[in-house]
Amino acid sequence: GENVEQHPSTLSVQEGDSAVIKCTYSDSASNYFPWYKQELGKRPQLIIDIRSNVGEKKDQRIAVTLNKTAKHFSLHITETQPEDSAVYFCAAGPVSGGADGLTFGKGTHLIIQP
Amino acid sequence: NAGVTQTPKFRILKIGQSMTLQCAQDMNHNYMYWYRQDPGMGLKLIYYSVGAGITDKGEVPNGYNVSRSTTEDFPLRLELAAPSQTSVYFCASRFIGPGLHNEQFFGPGTRLTVL
Repeated sequence: GENVEQHPSTLSVQEGDSAVIKCTYSDSASNYFPWYKQELGKRPQLIIDIRSNVGEKKDQRIAVTLNKTAKHFSLHITETQPEDSAVYFCAAGPVSGGADGLTFGKGTHLIIQP
Repeated sequence: NAGVTQTPKFRILKIGQSMTLQCAQDMNHNYMYWYRQDPGMGLKLIYYSVGAGITDKGEVPNGYNVSRSTTEDFPLRLELAAPSQTSVYFCASRFIGPGLHNEQFFGPGTRLTVL
């Protein structure tokens, strides 16, 4: 099955700086890569996703890049703000759902220092 | 739409007790999932369903059972609770269809403690 590795486990950045979180996956059949944000005590919520026919996708201060050859994808947050503090999860899986759905990384705790 | 709902929000069980975690969605999603999230860890898939009447095991199914008698409901059953089942349980749903957005929506979670 799919295996997703996520780094770093904790990331502390100064407010206004950029943050980058990286993930690798093992199954070349995966073609859907969402990123979820989970605030303390709340449910994971989708912030951005990318499909394998696209190399980069942006939504305001958030961008995701995908390198299918190397099997890695990254989340980039620019001009970080206090409300960006949360745990971020990457995931990989087939667009069509398939047997196991999404496989999640272990998460990155992003801390925005004032 | 209420989205994905879960009950209860919190529960404390004694070792050996049984309970059912309820999950419902009103988005007419065909796929539904149960995950558990241990402290500081990611989400591990327990069971999933691709439609009413069809269920299958995920990564960590031992100690759990599910059923999917309707499209809307996907309850998770714990028969003999053990301390290792202390966790936060998230239900999720997704619509898989040709050319449609595939966002997976999560419920608010059930925090279960087994003592």
